[in-house]
Amino acid sequence: DGGITQSPKYLFRKEGQNVTLSCEQNLNHDAMYWYRQDPGQGLRLIYYSQIVNDFQKGDIAEGYSVSREKKESFPLTVTSAQKNPTAFYLCASSLRQVSGANVLTFGAGSRLTVL
Amino acid sequence: RKEVEQDPGPFNVPEGATVAFNCTYSNSASQSFFWYRQDCRKEPKLLMSVYSSGNEDGRFTAQLNRASQYISLLIRDSKLSDSATYLCVVTDSGGGADGLTFGKGTHLIIQP
Repeated sequence: DGGITQSPKYLFRKEGQNVTLSCEQNLNHDAMYWYRQDPGQGLRLIYYSQIVNDFQKGDIAEGYSVSREKKESFPLTVTSAQKNPTAFYLCASSLRQVSGANVLTFGAGSRLTVL
Repeated sequence: RKEVEQDPGPFNVPEGATVAFNCTYSNSASQSFFWYRQDCRKEPKLLMSVYSSGNEDGRFTAQLNRASQYISLLIRDSKLSDSATYLCVVTDSGGGADGLTFGKGTHLIIQP
């Protein structure tokens, strides 16, 4: 079955460490996204990519980095520069750039806790 | 700044009742509207798109009021399994991921 796979599901990190969250999709979607969700908050866009080897910053890109070397993969690195990284991270994809009636399909999420 | 507002709830509703909640948006140029459902500690999943003419899917009815800039979701004959957080999503006319805004969600609890 087609879908989006995020790993790891749970991750604990010490302060000062970089961590990379994996996101893989086999939906043949062009666009991929990373969101962050904090308790009681809406989803906030970190980065998005419309095509391979291209990506744009979202609303809260500081302290994060991404790459899009393959259509299927869009890993997110949470760097030590991110001041408050503990959150639920959601990867999503869509058939093309979100406009009109295109909808997002989400992965199951990665829950990062900084100790 | 684009805003999408929802009553966070929780809405405590007895099983079998009808419940409705709204989502207001600030950008009059918004073009597409969606309701997503998110279960506790899970990812959001598309519940339904909201069309100008309104749309119905089983017990769920979504409507758009452009004049007053809100969308609504009505759930009839509510089930225990309807307990979840319902997210309103609005996209603007420019397209692009940065043109997509999520509400913070309305928490619904169906009680037996």
